Amino acid sequence: AQSVTQPDIHITVSEGASLELRCNYSYGATPYLFWYVQSPGQGLQLLLKYFSGDTLVQGIKGFEAEFKRSQSSFNLRKPSVHWSDAAEYFCAFGGSQGNLIFGKGTKLSVKP
Amino acid sequence: ETGVTQTPRHLVMGMTNKKSLKCEQHLGHNAMYWYKQSAKKPLELMFVYNFKEQTENNSVPSRFSPECPNSSHLFLHLHTLQPEDSALYLCASSQPGHSSGANVLTFGAGSRLTVL
Repeated sequence: AQSVTQPDIHITVSEGASLELRCNYSYGATPYLFWYVQSPGQGLQLLLKYFSGDTLVQGIKGFEAEFKRSQSSFNLRKPSVHWSDAAEYFCAFGGSQGNLIFGKGTKLSVKP
Repeated sequence: ETGVTQTPRHLVMGMTNKKSLKCEQHLGHNAMYWYKQSAKKPLELMFVYNFKEQTENNSVPSRFSPECPNSSHLFLHLHTLQPEDSALYLCASSQPGHSSGANVLTFGAGSRLTVL
């Protein structure tokens, strides 16, 4: 079955520390991959996407993600986390109906 | 106003009420979506409209009834809901890409629904 797995439900990091959020997908071919962020009380905002080409993609707010076909992964990284990065992060891939299929999300807390 | 706007932001209704959620997009997109977001679950796709035509109904109960009068507006009519329908309902829009999986969705802020 097509699915997205985000194994970490909740992560806490210290401000200034590096961050990596994990995402694995199950799909028959190479999917179109996305990371979205949701702040409390808000909708989802696109951070970055991977369609083809360079497997390391840059996004907004200093985030990047790397597509690894052999591991079916698309992990999100940031070298230095800011307190404003506290939010919930969703990995997704493009479905056949033009929709997105999402993981359950990882909630990020940032310690001062 | 730009982006995707959802109203109301919060709605409390009884199980016998009839209410509607409204979504409006000012992006010139041709596809619109309703998603349901419940705690501890992945976002669930409910409905997809392409060029005002419904192209996906993801086994949603008939107490949820969508309406898409034009490419800019999407409604979700609610009738005799259950407490388990309490959730955040997110609207999104997209401009169909070169491939069906390549659509970048733009989301509204959501309508928080509580069913008593």
